[in-house]
Amino acid sequence: GNSVTQMEGPVTLSEEAFLTINCTYTATGYPSLFWYVQYPGEGLQLLLKATKADDKGSNNGFEATYRKETTSFHLEKGSVQVSDSAVYFCAISGGSNYKLTFGKGTLLTVNP
Amino acid sequence: GAGVSQSPSNKVTEKGKDVELRCDPISGHTALYWYRQSLGQGLEFLIYFQGNSAPDKSGLPSDRFSAERTGGSVSTLTIQRTQQEDSAVYLCASSHSSGTSAYNEQFFGPGTRLTVL
Repeated sequence: GNSVTQMEGPVTLSEEAFLTINCTYTATGYPSLFWYVQYPGEGLQLLLKATKADDKGSNNGFEATYRKETTSFHLEKGSVQVSDSAVYFCAISGGSNYKLTFGKGTLLTVNP
Repeated sequence: GAGVSQSPSNKVTEKGKDVELRCDPISGHTALYWYRQSLGQGLEFLIYFQGNSAPDKSGLPSDRFSAERTGGSVSTLTIQRTQQEDSAVYLCASSHSSGTSAYNEQFFGPGTRLTVL
């Protein structure tokens, strides 16, 4: 079955630092790839997605590129803000029902 | 418009009792998913509905867990004879469909936090 491995963290950065959270996956076929974010006290929100190889998903300065050759979908942001503090989940979907398989999540704390 | 809603937001129950968790998906969304978020296991898929039928129940952890969906809308997840290991946040998500395009975004509800004493 599908599986996702992501950097577990926690990750602590200073404001304006560069962020990378690694994510690799195993899957049959051609899954779609996602990053979800969970802010403190809130529900899961889709941050960005990519549906085919070499696609780049982006949102609010966050980017991730679907790399089929390395089965990776690393999340990056050039300059983090305190408001980016949250838990980030890498996920893939596949099969006929598109259920999501999640990584364990990475807690990001950004200090002023 | 209204998002996915879930009730109750919190539920505390005693071991051995039955609980029902409710999910109201976004109107018009035919696909509905239940997931569970726990400290030890992370986010896990439980069950998927397309309309009122559940073609994938592979994530239900035991026969104490069941779910139904009526009218292609509201879904109820029932846990019988609750155990302490059932304590988790139960999340519901809905999407337009799951078979007609590369991906239809899943919108998540706020979850129900279940605590089994």
